[in-house]
Amino acid sequence: EPEVTQTPSHQVTQMGQEVILRCVPISNHLYFYWYRQILGQKVEFLVSFYNNEISEKSEIFDDQFSVERPDGSNFTLKIRSTKLEDSAMYFCASRLQGLDGYTFGSGTRLTVV
Amino acid sequence: GNSVTQMEGPVTLSEEAFLTINCTYTATGYPSLFWYVQYPGEGLQLLLKATKADDKGSNKGFEATYRKETTSFHLEKGSVQVSDSAVYFCAPGGSYSGAGSYQLTFGKGTKLSVIP
Repeated sequence: EPEVTQTPSHQVTQMGQEVILRCVPISNHLYFYWYRQILGQKVEFLVSFYNNEISEKSEIFDDQFSVERPDGSNFTLKIRSTKLEDSAMYFCASRLQGLDGYTFGSGTRLTVV
Repeated sequence: GNSVTQMEGPVTLSEEAFLTINCTYTATGYPSLFWYVQYPGEGLQLLLKATKADDKGSNKGFEATYRKETTSFHLEKGSVQVSDSAVYFCAPGGSYSGAGSYQLTFGKGTKLSVIP
């Protein structure tokens, strides 16, 4: 069964450093997403991406965050200057179209120290 | 935007017990409704979905019925197994307009532990 692949599975970074979280969505999917889950809290929407541009973003997705689909295969989330409160599990997801459910990746656990 | 209220956990059941996890939502229009499951150390997996009123989603013995009148989508299983131990998330999606990005709004999740 097709999968969404995320790398790395765990990343530790120092506060103020830039991080890039990588995702390979399912190849024929059209919509791409990032969500995050702070430990013990609910899963929160960050951003959606369609047709090579951001289609929606949440209040969490401020100027420190950016997304890119550089080569038609990868879908990346960049955090420019990490803060302690960015520590969370970040999930990438993709969806084909219409009323399909999402397919989520296994997540990247980001720890900012 | 959408919001969802999900039964607080953790829920501990014996094997073969009946499971109900309550979920109610508020939304504009009539969203599609999803249940996702997260097994220990893994990502979120789609468990089942329903796209319109009175639809019943089902998978792996789990069922949920889209109740428009009560804005609910309760998850049920007649006989749980140890392998069902996981965190379950209720998630209304946006109403499909043909053009939307269709973000999901997740509940806090309900941790289920099934003991032999």
